[in-house]
Amino acid sequence: AQRVTQPEKLLSVFKGAPVELKCNYSYSGSPELFWYVQYSRQRLQLLLRHISRESIKGFTADLNKGETSFHLKKPFAQEEDSAMYYCALLNAGGTSYGKLTFGQGTILTVHP
Amino acid sequence: EADIYQTPRYLVIGTGKKITLECSQTMGHDKMYWYQQDPGMELHLIHYSYGVNSTEKGDLSSESTVSRIRTEHFPLTLESARPSHTSQYLCASSGSKQVSGNIQYFGAGTRLSVL
Repeated sequence: AQRVTQPEKLLSVFKGAPVELKCNYSYSGSPELFWYVQYSRQRLQLLLRHISRESIKGFTADLNKGETSFHLKKPFAQEEDSAMYYCALLNAGGTSYGKLTFGQGTILTVHP
Repeated sequence: EADIYQTPRYLVIGTGKKITLECSQTMGHDKMYWYQQDPGMELHLIHYSYGVNSTEKGDLSSESTVSRIRTEHFPLTLESARPSHTSQYLCASSGSKQVSGNIQYFGAGTRLSVL
């Protein structure tokens, strides 16, 4: 069964510091991974996905198949980055195609 | 404007009442999903649908039921609400891989409180 683990429930950093939100997954096939973000009083939205290999709002995430990880990184955190972040894994098999398995989420707080 | 709409945004109701949470999307997506999320906690998939007249139960067992009579509409019903149903319910939709790359788009959610 596929699984997504975000080991840190809470993460606090100061403005300007680097930040890394960890995500590990277990999946037998070729994974397709996403990071979703939920800002205060806003709806859950896509931040980035690994197949796009793009940087969004200064965030990047690299898929490491050897370590089965998809950590989210930003070199200089901003206060507006404070939010709940979810890592998600696409179920690409058979009748369950399109379903996402979400991690437990990490609440990031960036202090001034 | 293409979007996904959930109503009501907030609902406070007494035990034993029947409720229906509405979800409609104008994204043109074939797949729709219902998640349950307690504040600050992980999302649990409770129902999903790949098209009209197609519904499946998700990973988390739920006493709710869903229907998909129209492509754009995916309501969730609780026949008899209980305090244990108090939670936030999120609706989402996605298109084909070619159309939207398996990205799920979420509604604003319905926060349900059962007294």
